[in-house]
Amino acid sequence: TQLLEQSPQFLSIQEGENLTVYCNSSSVFSSLQWYRQEPGEGPVLLVTVVTGGEVKKLKRLTFQFGDARKDSSLHITAAQPGDTGLYLCAGAGGANNLFFGTGTRLTVIP
Amino acid sequence: NAGVTQTPKFRVLKTGQSMTLLCAQDMNHEYMYWYRQDPGMGLRLIHYSVGEGTTAKGEVPDGYNVSRLKKQNFLLGLESAAPSQTSVYFCASSPTYTEAFFGQGTRLTVV
Repeated sequence: TQLLEQSPQFLSIQEGENLTVYCNSSSVFSSLQWYRQEPGEGPVLLVTVVTGGEVKKLKRLTFQFGDARKDSSLHITAAQPGDTGLYLCAGAGGANNLFFGTGTRLTVIP
Repeated sequence: NAGVTQTPKFRVLKTGQSMTLLCAQDMNHEYMYWYRQDPGMGLRLIHYSVGEGTTAKGEVPDGYNVSRLKKQNFLLGLESAAPSQTSVYFCASSPTYTEAFFGQGTRLTVV
């Protein structure tokens, strides 16, 4: 059982479409991160959100941390084929550990 | 820029054999982690360390042991490999238990 559940598990969209990926938990986290992983590689950090309600933007990607610090969302505007990959959220726990979500595999079709 | 280096990258073991996976980081990070990644499961935390000489259990520690004798190295051991331990193993390091930096992974097959 993983602490962080992501939805949807798989997402296939056309280039130019918008999408939102969700990361939910019953636990409170001191911070939450989003990573992207490409085949054969380790995950690479995209962003860290710390404050409840915080919104961060990274070009066409918008990240939001829930007010209660239990959930987060990632919104991509005008998706491009280069956005294809596995998106993972991760929560920092109270014992200095770092738990990852189940992942959302995104495919953007040209 | 080496970052986090994992050795080996691929390995095939027979059931019951033992092996050690090595993780080395050159960023002087305090925190280090071992994860396994199975299809559809994301990353699951096996063991972690908050500094030299310390280790702690994660979500799925059974069948694995770890050691952090030097700050830059974090070793993951399998004493008696089982087919259920077939997976891709990732090591990560972090300065603050956020912002994890990952290695390239070790693909382990137990037959």
